[in-house]
Amino acid sequence: EAGVVQSPRYKIIEKKQPVAFWCNPISGHNTLYWYLQNLGQGPELLIRYENEEAVDDSQLPKDRFSAERLKGVDSTLKIQPAELGDSAVYLCASSFSGEGDTQYFGPGTRLTVL
Amino acid sequence: GQQLNQSPQSMFIQEGEDVSMNCTSSSIFNTWLWYKQDPGEGPVLLIALYKAGELTSNGRLTAQFGITRKDSFLNISASIPSDVGIYFCAGRRIQGAQKLVFGQGTRLTINP
Repeated sequence: EAGVVQSPRYKIIEKKQPVAFWCNPISGHNTLYWYLQNLGQGPELLIRYENEEAVDDSQLPKDRFSAERLKGVDSTLKIQPAELGDSAVYLCASSFSGEGDTQYFGPGTRLTVL
Repeated sequence: GQQLNQSPQSMFIQEGEDVSMNCTSSSIFNTWLWYKQDPGEGPVLLIALYKAGELTSNGRLTAQFGITRKDSFLNISASIPSDVGIYFCAGRRIQGAQKLVFGQGTRLTINP
């Protein structure tokens, strides 16, 4: 069974440019999470989806970050415009509803903003 | 955002030694989880704890849910080279949104 797929794995952009990350969760998982992981820190939740609905986006900086999960499967996370402080690893995870402890993480996208 | 206090931040040990790390919080948690993250990969769940005082093992790994509900411990016995990585604790609070809060991680390095 394929795990959580993320792309790209690495992205280098200049500040003020837009960037987008894509996530394909494990088949059948209707809960999807986006996390931010700064160097030397644990993951921090940005947004959680139950199917198409964003049920927790309280930590998402909405002035520059946006996310969507239109068909309740794949999801994209966008930053526009990117700032230097956005350099980090962006992790996607998925789980079955009600089994939030068993979250399966993707490998992440490492973003470097120059 | 809120994070758990995890210690030590790093450990350098000899192969075959036992390892202990812990995680503390000022708040009560109703679930404690331990993850391992290898370089370039996402975290992988090792052990989940759901009851105060619970002691759970997964091979050479043993974790405990502190009786105060404010801490948890992970022990690794007879370490081997593949144990190298970063270990994260994570907790779920009784009150508030159903989200995981992660510790800062413990980086384990093993000298062969």
